[in-house]
Amino acid sequence: DIVLTQSPALAVSLEQRATISCKTSQNVDNYGISYMHWYQQKPGQQPKLLIYEGSNLASGIPARFSGSGSGTDFTLTIDPVEADDIATYYCQQSKDYWTFGGGTKLELK
Amino acid sequence: EVQLVESGGGLVQPGRSMKLSCAASGFTFSNYGMAWVRQAPTKGLEWVATISYDGSSTYYRDSVKGRFTISRDNAKSTLYLQMNSLRSEDTATYYCTRVESVVYWFAYWGQGTLVTVSS
Repeated sequence: DIVLTQSPALAVSLEQRATISCKTSQNVDNYGISYMHWYQQKPGQQPKLLIYEGSNLASGIPARFSGSGSGTDFTLTIDPVEADDIATYYCQQSKDYWTFGGGTKLELK
Repeated sequence: EVQLVESGGGLVQPGRSMKLSCAASGFTFSNYGMAWVRQAPTKGLEWVATISYDGSSTYYRDSVKGRFTISRDNAKSTLYLQMNSLRSEDTATYYCTRVESVVYWFAYWGQGTLVTVSS
């Protein structure tokens, strides 16, 4: 199984940059495509797709969200952070079945 | 507008069975793979099962193999999850999701249905 590792929490100030990392136990790239995706989940709500294939912004997602990385190291960046962005963020791989990272809870400093 | 509406959750005793449904609308259901993802209370997301667009292929996480069955009725635009021999560790909110493209991300999610396994 491919294991995804995320830091449990990240404290950030409003209008600053947040960088959330996700490390995978195996390469999740294939033929130039990253099988890595990012989701946002607020309390009591279903997850929402933010980024697919490592760096593609999902429909309706603000441009302050971006994704980068390849192979085994990926990053979700929120710049600048707004109050509405306080949530838990999950990375997910789909190269070998499907697994999620443990989630990173974004908190305000 | 894509809509996924889960139903069928509730309280069930250990060892018993339960069947979840997910009614899909706003897209051509028979063109897409579908999946179930669950989330135990205060925990993270966990993939459960996936079914291909025509039902010919199914995939399960190890902990539910042999106990859960994912299926679909394309004529009714409905996804199912039959859960047998339920355990306390199956307690979770179960989300229905649409599987996208050949890279298989989950673009659309239902609001979830809570399954509580307890005596």
